[in-house]
Amino acid sequence: QKEVEQNSGPLSVPEGAIASLNCTYSDRVSQSFFWYRQYSGKSPELIMSIYSNGDKEDGRFTAQLNKASQYVSLLIRDSQPSDSATYLCAANYGGATNKLIFGTGTLLAVQP
Amino acid sequence: NAGVTQTPKFRILKIGQSMTLQCAQDMNHNYMYWYRQDPGMGLKLIYYSVGAGITDKGEVPNGYNVSRSTTEDFPLRLELAAPSQTSVYFCASSSRTGNNEQFFGPGTRLTVL
Repeated sequence: QKEVEQNSGPLSVPEGAIASLNCTYSDRVSQSFFWYRQYSGKSPELIMSIYSNGDKEDGRFTAQLNKASQYVSLLIRDSQPSDSATYLCAANYGGATNKLIFGTGTLLAVQP
Repeated sequence: NAGVTQTPKFRILKIGQSMTLQCAQDMNHNYMYWYRQDPGMGLKLIYYSVGAGITDKGEVPNGYNVSRSTTEDFPLRLELAAPSQTSVYFCASSSRTGNNEQFFGPGTRLTVL
Protein backbone atom coordinates (compact mmCIF):
# COMPACT_ATOMS: atom_id res chain seq x y z
CA GLN A 1 0.00 0.00 0.00
CA LYS A 2 1.32 3.39 -0.96
CA GLU A 3 1.97 5.62 2.03
CA VAL A 4 3.40 9.01 2.83
CA GLU A 5 4.41 9.47 6.45
CA GLN A 6 4.85 12.72 8.34
CA ASN A 7 5.28 13.57 12.00
CA SER A 8 2.04 15.29 13.03
CA GLY A 9 3.83 17.73 15.34
CA PRO A 10 3.32 20.33 16.49
CA LEU A 11 6.76 21.52 15.55
CA SER A 12 7.45 24.70 17.48
CA VAL A 13 10.27 27.04 16.41
CA PRO A 14 11.13 30.59 17.42
CA GLU A 15 10.75 33.42 14.94
CA GLY A 16 13.81 33.72 12.73
CA ALA A 17 14.88 30.08 13.16
CA ILE A 18 15.00 27.34 10.53
CA ALA A 19 12.02 24.99 10.51
CA SER A 20 12.72 21.49 9.20
CA LEU A 21 9.81 19.34 8.06
CA ASN A 22 10.28 15.73 7.04
CA CYS A 23 8.41 13.14 5.04
CA THR A 24 9.01 9.54 3.96
CA TYR A 25 7.26 7.65 1.18
CA SER A 26 6.82 3.95 0.57
CA ASP A 27 6.56 3.57 -3.20
CA ARG A 28 9.77 3.75 -5.21
CA VAL A 29 7.67 4.39 -8.33
CA SER A 30 6.94 7.91 -7.07
CA GLN A 31 8.90 10.49 -9.05
CA SER A 32 7.28 13.80 -8.14
CA PHE A 33 6.97 15.30 -4.67
CA PHE A 34 5.12 18.32 -3.40
CA TRP A 35 4.80 20.45 -0.30
CA TYR A 36 1.50 22.16 0.36
CA ARG A 37 0.79 24.71 3.07
CA GLN A 38 -2.66 24.67 4.64
CA TYR A 39 -3.84 27.37 6.99
CA SER A 40 -6.60 26.44 9.41
CA GLY A 41 -9.95 26.40 7.61
CA LYS A 42 -8.37 26.98 4.21
CA SER A 43 -7.46 24.85 1.21
CA PRO A 44 -3.98 23.45 0.49
CA GLU A 45 -1.67 25.82 -1.34
CA LEU A 46 1.25 24.48 -3.35
CA ILE A 47 4.55 25.96 -2.18
CA MET A 48 7.23 23.63 -3.55
CA SER A 49 7.64 20.76 -5.97
CA ILE A 50 10.74 18.62 -6.46
CA TYR A 51 11.51 15.88 -8.97
CA SER A 52 15.28 15.26 -8.81
CA ASN A 53 17.62 14.21 -6.04
CA GLY A 54 19.19 17.11 -4.21
CA ASP A 55 18.02 20.54 -3.16
CA LYS A 56 15.64 23.01 -4.74
CA GLU A 57 15.46 26.53 -3.37
CA ASP A 58 12.70 29.11 -3.74
CA GLY A 59 13.05 32.18 -1.56
CA ARG A 60 13.02 31.12 2.09
CA PHE A 61 11.99 27.56 1.19
CA THR A 62 14.29 24.67 0.30
CA ALA A 63 12.99 21.24 -0.65
CA GLN A 64 15.33 18.27 -0.41
CA LEU A 65 14.85 14.88 -2.04
CA ASN A 66 16.74 11.64 -1.45
CA LYS A 67 15.21 8.87 -3.57
CA ALA A 68 17.56 6.20 -2.26
CA SER A 69 16.30 6.82 1.28
CA GLN A 70 12.75 7.66 0.08
CA TYR A 71 12.90 10.87 2.02
CA VAL A 72 11.69 14.40 1.32
CA SER A 73 12.17 17.45 3.48
CA LEU A 74 11.23 21.11 3.54
CA LEU A 75 13.38 23.76 5.19
CA ILE A 76 11.93 27.16 5.98
CA ARG A 77 14.57 29.76 6.74
CA ASP A 78 13.94 32.88 8.82
CA SER A 79 10.62 31.44 9.99
CA GLN A 80 7.84 33.96 10.51
CA PRO A 81 4.62 33.70 12.56
CA SER A 82 2.79 33.80 9.22
CA ASP A 83 4.43 30.46 8.37
CA SER A 84 2.40 28.82 11.15
CA ALA A 85 0.25 26.28 9.32
CA THR A 86 -0.03 22.59 8.54
CA TYR A 87 2.40 21.40 5.87
CA LEU A 88 1.28 18.50 3.72
CA CYS A 89 3.74 16.30 1.85
CA ALA A 90 2.51 14.52 -1.28
CA ALA A 91 3.96 11.99 -3.72
CA ASN A 92 2.64 11.00 -7.11
CA TYR A 93 1.30 7.50 -7.71
CA GLY A 94 3.20 7.03 -10.89
CA GLY A 95 1.44 6.52 -14.20
CA ALA A 96 -0.31 9.11 -16.30
CA THR A 97 -3.14 10.21 -14.01
CA ASN A 98 -1.21 12.73 -11.87
CA LYS A 99 -2.78 11.18 -8.77
CA LEU A 100 -1.16 12.15 -5.50
CA ILE A 101 -1.04 10.49 -2.11
CA PHE A 102 -0.86 12.85 0.83
CA GLY A 103 0.63 12.58 4.27
CA THR A 104 -1.43 13.66 7.26
CA GLY A 105 0.57 16.86 7.63
CA THR A 106 2.87 18.49 10.17
CA LEU A 107 1.61 21.41 12.21
CA LEU A 108 4.22 24.16 12.42
CA ALA A 109 3.97 26.84 15.09
CA VAL A 110 6.37 29.79 14.83
CA GLN A 111 6.62 31.59 18.15
CA PRO A 112 7.12 35.40 18.03
CA ASN B 1 -8.42 33.36 -14.07
CA ALA B 2 -10.57 32.31 -11.15
CA GLY B 3 -8.69 28.99 -10.88
CA VAL B 4 -10.73 26.25 -9.19
CA THR B 5 -14.08 27.28 -7.76
CA GLN B 6 -16.41 25.30 -5.53
CA THR B 7 -19.97 25.80 -4.36
CA PRO B 8 -21.43 25.85 -1.81
CA LYS B 9 -18.93 26.86 0.88
CA PHE B 10 -21.00 25.31 3.68
CA ARG B 11 -23.92 22.94 3.80
CA ILE B 12 -25.85 21.05 6.45
CA LEU B 13 -27.73 17.94 5.33
CA LYS B 14 -30.06 15.61 7.12
CA ILE B 15 -29.37 11.90 7.03
CA GLY B 16 -30.72 10.42 3.81
CA GLN B 17 -30.75 13.67 1.85
CA SER B 18 -28.83 14.08 -1.40
CA MET B 19 -26.82 16.95 -2.81
CA THR B 20 -24.34 17.88 -5.49
CA LEU B 21 -21.09 19.68 -4.77
CA GLN B 22 -20.07 21.82 -7.69
CA CYS B 23 -16.52 22.26 -8.97
CA ALA B 24 -15.31 24.23 -11.97
CA GLN B 25 -11.91 25.26 -13.30
CA ASP B 26 -10.96 27.76 -15.97
CA MET B 27 -7.35 26.67 -16.53
CA ASN B 28 -8.20 24.17 -19.28
CA HIS B 29 -6.87 21.35 -17.11
CA ASN B 30 -7.63 17.82 -18.24
CA TYR B 31 -7.30 16.22 -14.82
CA MET B 32 -9.67 16.87 -11.95
CA TYR B 33 -9.96 15.32 -8.50
CA TRP B 34 -12.24 15.18 -5.50
CA TYR B 35 -10.80 14.76 -2.02
CA ARG B 36 -12.22 14.67 1.45
CA GLN B 37 -10.33 15.79 4.53
CA ASP B 38 -11.38 14.72 8.00
CA PRO B 39 -10.03 16.51 11.11
CA GLY B 40 -6.34 15.75 11.70
CA MET B 41 -6.19 13.59 8.61
CA GLY B 42 -4.65 13.95 5.22
CA LEU B 43 -6.53 14.22 1.98
CA LYS B 44 -8.26 11.09 0.71
CA LEU B 45 -9.02 10.77 -2.99
CA ILE B 46 -12.69 10.05 -3.71
CA TYR B 47 -12.87 10.16 -7.52
CA TYR B 48 -10.82 11.56 -10.33
CA SER B 49 -11.16 12.29 -14.02
CA VAL B 50 -8.56 12.44 -16.77
CA GLY B 51 -10.86 14.16 -19.26
CA ALA B 52 -14.43 14.77 -20.28
CA GLY B 53 -16.41 11.54 -20.17
CA ILE B 54 -13.75 9.63 -18.19
CA THR B 55 -13.95 9.10 -14.45
CA ASP B 56 -12.50 6.57 -12.04
CA LYS B 57 -12.63 5.66 -8.37
CA GLY B 58 -10.06 6.77 -5.84
CA GLU B 59 -9.41 5.43 -2.33
CA VAL B 60 -12.81 6.20 -0.75
CA PRO B 61 -15.54 6.25 -3.46
CA ASN B 62 -18.39 4.57 -1.56
CA GLY B 63 -21.44 6.82 -1.17
CA TYR B 64 -20.39 9.20 -3.96
CA ASN B 65 -20.79 9.57 -7.68
CA VAL B 66 -19.26 11.89 -10.24
CA SER B 67 -19.71 12.93 -13.83
CA ARG B 68 -17.53 14.89 -16.25
CA SER B 69 -19.48 16.15 -19.21
CA THR B 70 -17.19 19.11 -19.91
CA THR B 71 -13.52 19.90 -19.34
CA GLU B 72 -14.46 22.68 -16.94
CA ASP B 73 -16.92 21.01 -14.57
CA PHE B 74 -16.63 18.03 -12.24
CA PRO B 75 -19.60 17.75 -9.86
CA LEU B 76 -19.65 15.32 -6.93
CA ARG B 77 -22.96 13.74 -6.01
CA LEU B 78 -23.82 12.47 -2.53
CA GLU B 79 -26.76 10.10 -2.43
CA LEU B 80 -28.38 9.16 0.89
CA ALA B 81 -26.09 11.27 3.06
CA ALA B 82 -24.70 9.62 6.19
CA PRO B 83 -22.95 11.16 9.25
CA SER B 84 -19.72 9.48 8.08
CA GLN B 85 -19.75 11.87 5.11
CA THR B 86 -19.33 14.88 7.39
CA SER B 87 -16.07 16.32 6.12
CA VAL B 88 -14.43 19.08 4.14
CA TYR B 89 -14.44 18.39 0.42
CA PHE B 90 -11.80 19.78 -1.90
CA CYS B 91 -11.74 19.77 -5.66
CA ALA B 92 -8.41 20.03 -7.48
CA SER B 93 -7.17 20.13 -11.04
CA SER B 94 -3.92 19.64 -12.90
CA SER B 95 -2.62 19.85 -16.40
CA ARG B 96 -2.00 16.69 -18.44
CA THR B 97 1.30 18.13 -19.56
CA GLY B 98 3.97 19.40 -17.24
CA ASN B 99 4.74 18.38 -13.74
CA ASN B 100 1.76 16.85 -11.90
CA GLU B 101 1.07 19.94 -9.80
CA GLN B 102 -2.46 20.02 -8.45
CA PHE B 103 -4.30 23.23 -7.63
CA PHE B 104 -7.10 23.26 -5.10
CA GLY B 105 -10.42 24.99 -4.78
CA PRO B 106 -11.52 26.67 -1.53
CA GLY B 107 -13.46 23.65 -0.27
CA THR B 108 -16.99 22.80 0.87
CA ARG B 109 -17.62 22.10 4.54
CA LEU B 110 -20.41 19.53 4.80
CA THR B 111 -22.16 18.44 7.97
CA VAL B 112 -24.63 15.54 7.98
CA LEU B 113 -26.92 15.41 11.01
